[in-house]
Amino acid sequence: QIQLVQSGPELKKPGESVKISCKASGYTFTNYGMYWVKQAPGQGLQYMGWINTETGKPTYADDFKGRFVFFLETSASTAYLQINNLKNEDMATYFCARNNNFDYWGQGVMVTVSS
Amino acid sequence: DIVLTQAPLSVSVTPGESASISCRSSKSLLSSKGITSLYWYLQRPGKSPQLLIYQMSNLASGVPDRFSSSGSETDFTLKISKVETEDVGVYYCGHRLEYPPTFGSGTKLEIK
Repeated sequence: QIQLVQSGPELKKPGESVKISCKASGYTFTNYGMYWVKQAPGQGLQYMGWINTETGKPTYADDFKGRFVFFLETSASTAYLQINNLKNEDMATYFCARNNNFDYWGQGVMVTVSS
Repeated sequence: DIVLTQAPLSVSVTPGESASISCRSSKSLLSSKGITSLYWYLQRPGKSPQLLIYQMSNLASGVPDRFSSSGSETDFTLKISKVETEDVGVYYCGHRLEYPPTFGSGTKLEIK
């Protein structure tokens, strides 16, 4: 069955970096784009962007240009989100989702930013 | 960006009754290919969202037919017939018409 399994919760200090993984299984990884969605505590869903799993080309929503990086390890069917220079407002749960329908979602990774 | 406005903010339903959730778009979601790019998702408490409906009226795989969706180019309704306790959570509409995709702010469904 199709699964997206994300890495575990993270506790970081402001200014640090965090790398979140999203491992896909049950389908051909390069056939579907991988999308990233942010959910701040108690808030709704915010689209961050996506990465073309065939070419590796990332596309970022305006609010996520600069400190956010999407990349792949195609041989491991894994997509990554790295957030550099963490800020308090980055504290959220981050989801990966398959395809532009968001038809399958990872379980989410909670990132806590605290000094 | 396209703004999606959901109503109500929350709804409380007796099991077995029906519930309706509205989603209004700031722009027509009808694409040049004749597809209405409106999606519905359910996020159960403590879980990740799941796709319920795609392209306005198509049930996603494994979703019970108690869920249905209809609408025009800008106004949409998700209907849940015979509500069950497992339907509790926050319902989001979303679009994929153009970049960037956006979501509504969510409607919380509770059981009376």
